[in-house]
Amino acid sequence: QKEVEQNSGPLSVPEGAIASLNCTYSDRGSQSFFWYRQYSGKSPELIMSIYSNGDKEDGRFTAQLNKASQYVSLLIRDSQPSDSATYLCAVNNAGGTSYGKLTFGQGTILTVHP
Amino acid sequence: ETGVTQTPRHLVMGMTNKKSLKCEQHLGHNAMYWYKQSAKKPLELMFVYSLEERVENNSVPSRFSPECPNSSHLFLHLHTLQPEDSALYLCASSQDSTDPREQYFGPGTRLTVT
Repeated sequence: QKEVEQNSGPLSVPEGAIASLNCTYSDRGSQSFFWYRQYSGKSPELIMSIYSNGDKEDGRFTAQLNKASQYVSLLIRDSQPSDSATYLCAVNNAGGTSYGKLTFGQGTILTVHP
Repeated sequence: ETGVTQTPRHLVMGMTNKKSLKCEQHLGHNAMYWYKQSAKKPLELMFVYSLEERVENNSVPSRFSPECPNSSHLFLHLHTLQPEDSALYLCASSQDSTDPREQYFGPGTRLTVT
């Protein structure tokens, strides 16, 4: 079983629509959750972090966390073609170590078409 | 710019060569990481350094040898690599490895092993 699972997509949405990206994780002890955006040929860029159940909004982005369901999502409102990228979900869990570490999902490719 | 720089950006090396990747962070962070990103695979954590001490070696072959002389610099020494080692190698840093709430990535080194 994958530790962090994402639908690889591609997810295609029209410009102006809401893009919904989902992620599930296997370790119930996970404490922090992150969304990174990665443009083709570039490195991952942190766009959202969430630590407690519920919603967290930042501009057009909303992260949602449900620890009971081991589920985290990212909503992008008013999607723009510039949002086209791969979105990586990352989960911080100790995994039995004395330090935290991030485990990444495979990423979801998002395409926003005009 | 995330405050994390990597050199070189591109590297082509033969299987018998020895080369080094360099990472420098200007964020005052205490933890640094090496990741490997291969096509269609999740980001793989390779090494974690906290205050210049290696705290994670994620079953990485010995042909990869990290070095962290101080909290701002991280190296990855490469020798006798295999073609399957061709990938994007990413360096990241965070304030504290015990709770890497936010990791910031450098631009990466695209490595090709011939």
